[in-house]
Amino acid sequence: AQKITQTQPGMFVQEKEAVTLDCTYDTSDQSYGLFWYKQPSSGEMIFLIYQGSYDEQNATEGRYSLNFQKARKSANLVISASQLGDSAMYFCAMRGGFQKLVFGTGTRLLVSP
Amino acid sequence: GAVVSQHPSRVICKSGTSVKIECRSLDFQATTMFWYRQFPKQSLMLMATSNEGSKATYEQGVEKDKFLINHASLTLSTLTVTSAHPEDSSFYICSALQEGRAYNEQFFGPGTRLTVL
Repeated sequence: AQKITQTQPGMFVQEKEAVTLDCTYDTSDQSYGLFWYKQPSSGEMIFLIYQGSYDEQNATEGRYSLNFQKARKSANLVISASQLGDSAMYFCAMRGGFQKLVFGTGTRLLVSP
Repeated sequence: GAVVSQHPSRVICKSGTSVKIECRSLDFQATTMFWYRQFPKQSLMLMATSNEGSKATYEQGVEKDKFLINHASLTLSTLTVTSAHPEDSSFYICSALQEGRAYNEQFFGPGTRLTVL
């Protein structure tokens, strides 16, 4: 069974600074996918970035990058140049069997001016 | 990107009544949709996998008779909460799987907030 662990309930960062949100995972599958989603207070789930287990390079999408360390089973999200609009809940998720997503408990990010 | 809608966005109902929530993929066909439940300040928990043309697959602990799922077409799945009780109050989110993309991405609806009085 897959498991996602996010150990940071909350994180604070100042505007324009970079922040790293931690995510570790556990799986016995050789092929898997890791996702990060942003959930603002409105509730919608916004896809940020994806990393496949066989991808050799870390994924990047604009200000988002994923620090993928396969041996450590970690997939940390790095947000560069934080903006006030980045304040939200962030969820790490793993795709398991039958395309199901298993989510971590989330990290609430607060960006201050 | 692909768009998934949910209707209604908010619903308040009396205890004992049934509530139907619709999930539609607007610009792609989805043979597989998923229904999640999220309690305040908690994570998303998968309730069931909705498959077009066949019965839904429920996760362990989810009551099939209480949460009826119908995937009537390639663009519509419905979740009916039957005989709702206050403990069913929650945020329900659906997602639709768009296969064929590089990583079979799930696109999420905006969610439905259910309050049972």
